[in-house]
Amino acid sequence: GAGVSQSPRYKVTKRGQDVALRCDPISGHVSLYWYRQALGQGPEFLTYFNYEAQQDKSGLPNDRFSAERPEGSISTLTIQRTEQRDSAMYRCASSLDANEQFFGPGTRLTVL
Amino acid sequence: GQQLNQSPQSMFIQEGEDVSMNCTSSSIFNTWLWYKQDPGEGPVLLIALYKAGELTSNGRLTAQFGITRKDSFLNISASIPSDVGIYFCAGQLYAGNNRKLIWGLGTSLAVNP
Repeated sequence: GAGVSQSPRYKVTKRGQDVALRCDPISGHVSLYWYRQALGQGPEFLTYFNYEAQQDKSGLPNDRFSAERPEGSISTLTIQRTEQRDSAMYRCASSLDANEQFFGPGTRLTVL
Repeated sequence: GQQLNQSPQSMFIQEGEDVSMNCTSSSIFNTWLWYKQDPGEGPVLLIALYKAGELTSNGRLTAQFGITRKDSFLNISASIPSDVGIYFCAGQLYAGNNRKLIWGLGTSLAVNP
């Protein structure tokens, strides 16, 4: 597609449920990044992939968070047993040359 | 996680004024990037800097990569109302295959027409 797309755009879930957030990067982009952004804050790095390989997952807050990119294109960020503190905007970005990152519209997650 | 020191935190200026903001880090970076984020949107890249001392312009925007590789500034000349938004700096250090960006906390810019 023309840009990075993310789905769903909004997700409301109950505490304890699992959620899966999807990112569809720009076609041909090698690198894919997941960020979490609180209101009025800068993006907080979670994890990133080159092709299907997860290069860095140091930003994942705990073992309830995981991400995969099995075919080197679409990626899924999964949060298990969600907690209220997981509520945030989750943004995905992709990059062709590891410099300029193009951001998607984000998924607004609300955990009740 | 690690974040850069970005200042000022917010600015309120009159249309036509020049604006300056900067970022500092305790670590050196190979690349400095400046992004702008409009409400409800994702960050959009404004300027990328790849070399210490580099000065780059993009229209009314000018940014420099500090010679110590630990700082960068962004200037906006003759501000207009559509410059309103949050400006973020981001630094990148190449370490093997790692291309992680470290982000500033943002400078919120308001322009009074």
